[in-house]
Amino acid sequence: DTGVSQDPRHKITKRGQNVTFRCDPISEHNRLYWYRQTLGQGPEFLTYFQNEAQLEKSRLLSDRFSAERPKGSFSTLEIQRTEQGDSAMYLCASSLVGVANYGYTFGSGTRLTVV
Amino acid sequence: DQQVKQNSPSLSVQEGRISILNCDYTNSMFDYFLWYKKYPAEGPTFLISISSIKDKNEDGRFTVFLNKSAKHLSLHIVPSQPGDSAVYFCAASGYGSARQLTFGSGTQLTVLP
Repeated sequence: DTGVSQDPRHKITKRGQNVTFRCDPISEHNRLYWYRQTLGQGPEFLTYFQNEAQLEKSRLLSDRFSAERPKGSFSTLEIQRTEQGDSAMYLCASSLVGVANYGYTFGSGTRLTVV
Repeated sequence: DQQVKQNSPSLSVQEGRISILNCDYTNSMFDYFLWYKKYPAEGPTFLISISSIKDKNEDGRFTVFLNKSAKHLSLHIVPSQPGDSAVYFCAASGYGSARQLTFGSGTQLTVLP
C-alpha cells in the first residue's frame, strides 16, 4: 500500500460543468476526510466518513457538492454546476479510528481549475 | 473567524541555525495540535503533534512547545537543513470532533545553504 491516492491530479473544466474526483485511502483506514485548499490558505475541512457513513459536513459543502464512500473503501467527491470559486486543491486524507492521532495521511490532491 | 493563526507567511534561516515557527489559536476546546509540512505538488505530511496535557514534545530535530495559557504553540527545528524548506502548517483539533483539523494559513520556511 503506497498511501492515499487521488485521481485525477489536475482537472480543468468550464464553468457549469460537473466534475468528480476519486480518493483511494490506505486500505486499513476506516476514516476518510475531504479538505479544500485555496491559494495562500491552509486546508479547510469539507466532510468525513467513518466506513461508509458520512458523519459530518462543513457549511462550506454547498448542495452542489456531494461525497460518497460506497462499501467504506474509495470515495468520490462530485461538484455540480462548477463555479470559478470552486477552483482549489481538493485533498483527501485517511486515518484509523482508535489509534492515537498521530496525524492523517493526506493524498497529493486534485487541483481543480474552473475557467 | 480564523481559529488558528500563523502570522508569519515566510521565514528564512541559515543552514545549521534554529528555525522557530509560531502559531496562535483562539478556541479553548482544542486539545490536540499538529504540525504538517508541505512540499509543492504534494499533500501535507504529518510532522509532529502534542496533546494539551503536555507542554513539550520532541522528535529528533523537531520540538513542539505548547503554552496553553497564551494559546500559543511553536515548532523548533534544530539544526535547520536545506531539505526542511517547505510550507509548514499548524493544525488543531478538539475532543469529539472526529479529529477534524483546523489549519492555519502556513509559513513558508526557506533554509539557506
